[in-house]
Formats: sequence, structure tokens, C-alpha cells
Amino acid sequence: QSALTQPPSASGSPGQSVTISCTGTSSDVGSYNYVSWYQQLPGKAPKLLIFEVSKRPSGVPDRFSGSKSGNTASLTVSGLQAEDEADYYCNSYAGNNFVVFGGGTKLTVL
Amino acid sequence: QVQLQESGPGLVKPSETLSLTCDVSGYSISRGYHWGWIRQPPGKGLEWIGRIHHSGSTYYNPSLKSQITISVDTSQNQFSLKLSSVTAADTAVYYCARLLGSTHFFDYWGQGTLVTVSS
Repeated sequence: QSALTQPPSASGSPGQSVTISCTGTSSDVGSYNYVSWYQQLPGKAPKLLIFEVSKRPSGVPDRFSGSKSGNTASLTVSGLQAEDEADYYCNSYAGNNFVVFGGGTKLTVL
Repeated sequence: QVQLQESGPGLVKPSETLSLTCDVSGYSISRGYHWGWIRQPPGKGLEWIGRIHHSGSTYYNPSLKSQITISVDTSQNQFSLKLSSVTAADTAVYYCARLLGSTHFFDYWGQGTLVTVSS
């Protein structure tokens, strides 16, 4: 299985919205609503932001939202804040008890 | 609060076996969930290694399957990873995490431990 495809970088100014895409195939993202997103601050472990495409765990601000269309999932960060500067990874179930990560996107707040 | 903590040698010689343990606190492994390992080479992205259910059922990344053994010790509330015949390409930060098996997301992560493969 190949990694999911994410843009290497994304950026936006404080207060703006940014959307990060995560493209898979009909065998993973396109077949299952089991897409999750993780935020990784420098030197830290990943933190769960979104699960099951669009659900937020308790404590995650509603500025973070997820969606999916076909083989592509998306993470939108609204009202960008300086603290949102981090690496973001998507993950999808790919069948046969296998999960696959995206390559990661570095979000810069200008 | 669920907490996970990885432990093990930070340096392993090429061709030897990498061994890590993940201690879980705040939740009993025997109650359920799956428990997994993920790694991240320096400056690179995340790679799923494999996971284990408290019953002992294991699921491995096909690309690493020949090298991996994941086991669980419910009496110690910990699970372990063994990666055999390591090379420099196995140098990475290794994370343990809790995974909801039915919906396949990782909700709690350890802080990670760097393992370097070098002679």
C-alpha cells in the first residue's frame, strides 16, 4: 500500500482559513469513512484532531473540521492562529486491518 | 487519563533486533482496544508498523511483516515490539498508541523514543 498524498506545505495568515487535502484511492479513503487527522507540534507526539472523517474529540476546537469527497479527504483550519503552526497527517483504513498515513503537510502561519 | 510510555535501548547495531516496550497507565489493556506501534524516521512522515488486541491477535504492516513481532503482557499492562535484522533505514522515533479497532484511529500516544541503528 502506498502512502496517502498530501501537499508538502500550506500557509495562511492569522484569521484566514486553510484546507489541507489527503488523496488516496478507492481501496482506502474512497471505501471507508475511517479517515483521521493528527497535529504534530515540533518535537512532540501526534495528537488526534479528527476521526471518522469529520468527528472531533473532546477538547479540539471547532476551528478544525474534516470532510471527504470520493478518494480525497480534507482538513480545514478556520480562523488560523499562530499556535496552529505544525505538521498535519491524515490516516485512513485500507482494509485487511491495515492503516496508511499521508506524507504530512507543514502548515505555516504567516 | 490514559498514558503510554515507550522504553528501550536508544542504540541498536545493524542486523540485531530492536526491542521496545510500551507501559500503559490509566487504562487496563485487558479491557479492550488495540495497541499499536508507529514510527517516524528523522525529518520524515509517519509509518504504521502494526497492532495487537488484548486477546493477542496481531496485525502487521505487510512491508515489515517478516521483521515484526508484537506481543502483549496484560499482567504488566504493557505491550512490546521486536524488529529483527535492523538496518540504518530503521532509525526512527518509535511511538506506541491506543487504537480503536472498529474505527481505526489512534486516540492516545506515547511521547516517542528515538532508536538509532548504527555500529
